[in-house]
Amino acid sequence: AQKVTQAQTEISVVEKEDVTLDCVYETRDTTYYLFWYKQPPSGELVFLIRRNSFDEQNEISGRYSWNFQKSTSSFNFTITASQVVDSAVYFCALSYGSNDYKLSFGAGTTVTVRA
Amino acid sequence: SQTIHQWPATLVQPVGSPLSLECTVEGTSNPNLYWYRQAAGRGLQLLFYSVGIGQISSEVPQNLSASRPQDRQFILSSKKLLLSDSGFYLCAWSVGTGFYEQYFGPGTRLTVT
Repeated sequence: AQKVTQAQTEISVVEKEDVTLDCVYETRDTTYYLFWYKQPPSGELVFLIRRNSFDEQNEISGRYSWNFQKSTSSFNFTITASQVVDSAVYFCALSYGSNDYKLSFGAGTTVTVRA
Repeated sequence: SQTIHQWPATLVQPVGSPLSLECTVEGTSNPNLYWYRQAAGRGLQLLFYSVGIGQISSEVPQNLSASRPQDRQFILSSKKLLLSDSGFYLCAWSVGTGFYEQYFGPGTRLTVT
């Protein structure tokens, strides 16, 4: 069965520090997709990235970067030069269900960036 | 562009009362629709999903039900609320076939007293 583990419950950093969020997943599917979402204090989840299991290239989008390593079943997320606006709960998610297109979410990591 | 609406934004209901939460999506056709619940300080639990009108699947047994009376409308209901039903309810949609990203609504915060 699929499982997503975000071992870090909370991370607190000072502004401009880098922060890396770990995500480890388990699946029996040969093709799968991984996602990251951000949930700011307002509550609405914001989609950040989608990555398929065949694409192991790292990706960078502004201050955000993602490191996908299939060999270790990890899809880690780094925020460079963190800002107070980055304070949120971040969720990693894994696809499952052949025709249902469902996502299994990790428990989330709360990131607090202090000024 | 696509938009997803949920209402009400907040709700306080006594134990044993009925529930009806509504979600509508604009700007897309035949979306996949999902209901999630997020308990305080916890992750997201998928409750129901629908890949078409009248097609509802449940992920976990509970006293909640869902319906999809129209292509872009998804309703979460209960005949009698329990204290354990308190939480943050999120509706989401994704495009047709394939594992595309899900887009979430603003959520409904339900407190059962």
